[in-house]
Amino acid sequence: AQRVTQPEKLLSVFKGAPVELKCNYSYSGSPELFWYVQYSRQRLQLLLRHISRESIKGFTADLNKGETSFHLKKPFAQEEDSAMYYCALSDGNQFYFGTGTSLTVIP
Amino acid sequence: DGGITQSPKYLFRKEGQNVTLSCEQNLNHDAMYWYRQDPGQGLRLIYYSQIVNDFQKGDIAEGYSVSREKKESFPLTVTSAQKNPTAFYLCASSIETGVGQPQHFGDGTRLSIL
Repeated sequence: AQRVTQPEKLLSVFKGAPVELKCNYSYSGSPELFWYVQYSRQRLQLLLRHISRESIKGFTADLNKGETSFHLKKPFAQEEDSAMYYCALSDGNQFYFGTGTSLTVIP
Repeated sequence: DGGITQSPKYLFRKEGQNVTLSCEQNLNHDAMYWYRQDPGQGLRLIYYSQIVNDFQKGDIAEGYSVSREKKESFPLTVTSAQKNPTAFYLCASSIETGVGQPQHFGDGTRLSIL
């Protein structure tokens, strides 16, 4: 069963514009949600996790249990934000990844 | 850089052959994972191990086998039973499998069938 859905495969925004990468999940318990990022020619790395409630590189993500969403947001996109972004859910044993969204920030 | 090392970076296999992908970590992590990444499908879990000498099947374990004889090593064998082995394989580790523990990834191995 698909536990994590990222509806957008590709997303393009202009530099300085707000960006939102969507993530919806299906899970009956209390999930742990993460965003991972892969920049060009770099390995996949953790961007942020909901339990930390932190902002990393200007990105934030709020867990909305009512809408079962964990959208990633940034008010002003930068060129260096261009990358592949994966939303992931942990049930304590396994991680379930979405199919990813490729973000391109247009200068 | 250290952390997690996957080798080789590229691997070619003839049909009918088994092939083993290496994954080593120096992070002293208990848990290790193998994922397969195909275009448009994200990461799918093959196997994971929470502790030495123990491992569990993931969503797509058929045609694969693993071992965890040492804490720092978690090799993945792609057997001839795997019908479509051409893919990008990622290894990851985390301190433990508890909720909230993020994963650290290697650079991956790209396997191709000749």
